[in-house]
Parts: sequence; C-alpha cells; structure tokens
Amino acid sequence: NAGVTQTPKFRVLKTGQSMTLLCAQDMNHEYMYWYRQDPGMGLRLIHYSVGEGTTAKGEVPDGYNVSRLKKQNFLLGLESAAPSQTSVYFCASGGTHNTEAFFGQGTRLTVV
Amino acid sequence: GENVEQHPSTLSVQEGDSAVIKCTYSDSASNYFPWYKQELGKGPQLIIDIRSNVGEKKDQRIAVTLNKTAKHFSLHITETQPEDSAVYFCAALYQKVTFGIGTKLQVIP
Repeated sequence: NAGVTQTPKFRVLKTGQSMTLLCAQDMNHEYMYWYRQDPGMGLRLIHYSVGEGTTAKGEVPDGYNVSRLKKQNFLLGLESAAPSQTSVYFCASGGTHNTEAFFGQGTRLTVV
Repeated sequence: GENVEQHPSTLSVQEGDSAVIKCTYSDSASNYFPWYKQELGKGPQLIIDIRSNVGEKKDQRIAVTLNKTAKHFSLHITETQPEDSAVYFCAALYQKVTFGIGTKLQVIP
C-alpha cells in the first residue's frame, strides 16, 4: 500500500543544473499537485493536474515545468536550478479537487 | 485569489490542556476546509475537514468549527497528548487549495 511515492528524497544541485522530480501514486487519483514548503510560508502550489495529459499553473510556477503523460505519474522539472529553489517539495494526489489530498514524504532539494 | 491567515504560528500547551488554532479566509466562495498534521520529516496528513454547509464537526479529541459569515474556522484539540506535537496547517478551497502558514504545536509532558 504505497500511496504517493516521491523520488528522490534528497538532492543537491549546482546552480544552473537541471533535474526532474518524480511522483507516483497507486490510488487511481485524477488530481495531482506539486507544492513547495519554505519556513514561514506554508505550502505553496507550483503546478497541478486534473487528469492525464493536463497541467495547470499554481501560485508559484516560474522556473518549473511539469508533465502528466501517465495518470499515475506527475513529473516536476527544473530546467536551470537557482538557489531560490532550495526547498522541500511535496507531491500530493486526490480523487477530486475538494476531497482529501494524500501527500508524499517530500524531496529536500538544495541548490548551491 | 484566496488568502488564508493562520494564528498562532507557535503554540505550547501542557499535556491534558486544550489547544485552539484559528484561520481566516478571504474568498467567500471557498467551500472546503481541511486541516492537516505534519510530523517531522513527513508529508502532511489530513486529520479532519469541514464543508461550508456544516458549522461543526468532531472526531474524538479533535473538532473543527466554521463561521461562514465571519469567514473563519478553528481547530480544537482537547486533552492534548505528547504525540499531538506537530505542525498543523489549515486550508481553504474553492477551485484551488490555499494553505495557511502552519502552527507548530508543542505539548509539554
């Protein structure tokens, strides 16, 4: 019973490098979300998806791209990492937009 | 867009006492208000939620109240235990969810 799984759990990047964070859910949920969590700022929505093949911008989308090629996977990409993207990233999924969201364990990303 | 304010940012209580966390929201169209608990090193987990057609909901030691007119909702934890120590987030949702900044609750044994 995996739920929502994020890969990797930790990563250190140099400024300008690129990387992709993978989120996988096994609950057949339509909705998937990427958040970043910074001290004193709570959880802020980066991008989200309401179904396979769809993506939409959230509150803080700049510097990130996403893809939802398969229903169970939601990828978050950083094309050119910046120190301001140092954060803890959480993926979540939900059956609809106004029901419980299930979160992954998080990815701690440091950009130096 | 929606704006959610959460108070206090930190809260310390003695074991057995009650804890109250308050949130206000700005968008009167918001109709779903979940509360999440985040333990250290883990992702947030839903503990209770309330919809706009309900004024109060209770689940054992946890209760949530909603005042739509004043646009505020609160989390009440009674008979607190050390394992209640965590960060609690409120959220409001209409088309997208907006989270509060979180409250770090410390229950002192």
